[in-house]
Amino acid sequence: AQRVTQPEKLLSVFKGAPVELKCNYSYSGSPELFWYVQYSRQRLQLLLRHISRESIKGFTADLNKGETSFHLKKPFAQEEDSAMYYCALRSGSSASKIIFGSGTRLSIRP
Amino acid sequence: EPEVTQTPSHQVTQMGQEVILRCVPISNHLYFYWYRQILGQKVEFLVSFYNNEISEKSEIFDDQFSVERPDGSNFTLKIRSTKLEDSAMYFCASSERTGGGGYGYTFGSGTRLTVV
Repeated sequence: AQRVTQPEKLLSVFKGAPVELKCNYSYSGSPELFWYVQYSRQRLQLLLRHISRESIKGFTADLNKGETSFHLKKPFAQEEDSAMYYCALRSGSSASKIIFGSGTRLSIRP
Repeated sequence: EPEVTQTPSHQVTQMGQEVILRCVPISNHLYFYWYRQILGQKVEFLVSFYNNEISEKSEIFDDQFSVERPDGSNFTLKIRSTKLEDSAMYFCASSERTGGGGYGYTFGSGTRLTVV
């Protein structure tokens, strides 16, 4: 069965400190992984896709198939990074549905 | 940048009443979805829709729920007889393509449904 696990409900770090939001998944095939972000009172927005290997707003995420992880990282946190972050999985080609983890609230302290 | 539009932003309804939640997906998108998020819980998949029919639905999406695309632009979610436990934020999403190319969804801002 497909599952996305985000073990931390809340992560609080100081401005300028490194950030790592953990995500582990359960799927036997080749998944597509995403990170979505939801700022206060705004809609869910796509932040990163593993397939594009991009860096958005200083965030990166590497798919580690051996550890079945897709952790989100940023070397220096900024106050505007405070938001809810959701890791998400689609089970691969021809699949449509994306399933979400339970989310981690990131709070950046000044 | 194109957006997915949802109306209303907040709806209060009495238990047992029918509600229709409306969504206007991005115009060149072909795949449409409804998700819900009960307060404090995860975002849950309800249904996906492609080529004028349901392509997948979750166990939450029982006979009380239905979706349709009546006029080629709107995408609606109907709950026939609402229950207290239907109170949640309902998100519509659309995508240009399905899996295989890493295409994500574009989400609407949600409709908060409160059943009293």
